Amino acid sequence: KAGVTQTPRYLIKTRGQQVTLSCSPISGHRSVSWYQQTPGQGLQFLFEYFSETQRNKGNFPGRFSGRQFSNSRSEMNVSTLELGDSALYLCASSPTDSGTGELFFGEGSRLTVL
Amino acid sequence: AQSVTQLDSQVPVFEEAPVELRCNYSSSVSVYLFWYVQYPNQGLQLLLKYLSGSTLVESINGFEAEFNKSQTSFHLRKPSVHISDTAEYFCAVSDQDDYKLSFGAGTTVTVRA
Repeated sequence: KAGVTQTPRYLIKTRGQQVTLSCSPISGHRSVSWYQQTPGQGLQFLFEYFSETQRNKGNFPGRFSGRQFSNSRSEMNVSTLELGDSALYLCASSPTDSGTGELFFGEGSRLTVL
Repeated sequence: AQSVTQLDSQVPVFEEAPVELRCNYSSSVSVYLFWYVQYPNQGLQLLLKYLSGSTLVESINGFEAEFNKSQTSFHLRKPSVHISDTAEYFCAVSDQDDYKLSFGAGTTVTVRA
């Protein structure tokens, strides 16, 4: 079974631009979550989707948004990029909808903002 | 909201020696507990989990963790480490039906020959 696939793996943007990251969950998984990982703040929850509905959202500004499609694939978008948005963005999928927190992570998309 | 404290940021250890990584969480309500491992330039991999039942949980590669509700702890142990155990380890907690994980800051384990 293929794992969680994230694209692109690496990207470089400049301040003010926007970026869209994509995530394909493990087949059959309907819950998709996004996390931001930085050396200073560690791993922080962005949002979680199940069946195209956002069920929980972290404490990030409105520049961070996401969505989930009917095939469970998900995208997240960051607009008006700031230097502090440089991070590893991790997508994870879950085999259940019970909210147990058992997640399977992709390898991440590493965003560098110049 | 949950907060998770990993008491050690760096743990150097010799090969074949035991290791313990400490984790405490804030809430005493029903929680799910996890340890994840992250190797360089990779995502996180689930190491082991406590959802319910026996308070001692084990992984397939020799790690074990014990859920202690009274002390709100979920410490990770391995009796004999290998060079390949060099990685960063994250403790994580989820409240029931919260649909998110709260992670600790991570503990970097460096195993030396």
